[in-house]
Amino acid sequence: AQKITQTQPGMFVQEKEAVTLDCTYDTSDPSYGLFWYKQPSSGEMIFLIYQGSYDQQNATEGRYSLNFQKARKSANLVISASQLGDSAMYFCAMRDTNRDDKIIFGKGTRLHILP
Amino acid sequence: DSGVTQTPKHLITATGQRVTLRCSPRSGDLSVYWYQQSLDQGLQFLIQYYNGEERAKGNILERFSAQQFPDLHSELNLSSLELGDSALYFCASSVDPDINSPLHFGNGTRLTVT
Repeated sequence: AQKITQTQPGMFVQEKEAVTLDCTYDTSDPSYGLFWYKQPSSGEMIFLIYQGSYDQQNATEGRYSLNFQKARKSANLVISASQLGDSAMYFCAMRDTNRDDKIIFGKGTRLHILP
Repeated sequence: DSGVTQTPKHLITATGQRVTLRCSPRSGDLSVYWYQQSLDQGLQFLIQYYNGEERAKGNILERFSAQQFPDLHSELNLSSLELGDSALYFCASSVDPDINSPLHFGNGTRLTVT
């Protein structure tokens, strides 16, 4: 069965530092997609970055990059040069090619950026 | 702005009542998903529709039902409401149910059952 694990319920990071949010996943399907979402205190869910299981390169989107280690089944989000506006809840999510193709989410990590 | 529109933004109702949440997907998106977010359960997948047909079902209670209409908008109906149904309900849409197709979320409907 699909499973997403985010082991860090909360993190505190100094502004301008880089931060890594951990995500491990479990699936028996060789073809899957991994996503990260940001949920600020205002509540909306913002799509950040995507990584496909067959992608050779780690995905990057501006200050966001995904450290994809397929053998370890991990897909950590790296935020470079953190900003106060990065304070939010971050969710890792996965979708595979089973017929039941819902996206499942981890429980999230709450990130606090300190001035 | 994700392009997904959810109404209403807030809903306060009493136990036993029935409510309808509405979602308009992004232009061109055929798949609609409903999620429930509560403090202790995280984001729980409820149900997915693709081009009008139910495609996947998650932990959706029998008191809840949904449909997707020919114009692709979707409605989630919650009946015989209980206090535990209080949550943030998200609708999301994607172009198609493909592994590399991200979900784009609406701003959610916050339901409070008193």
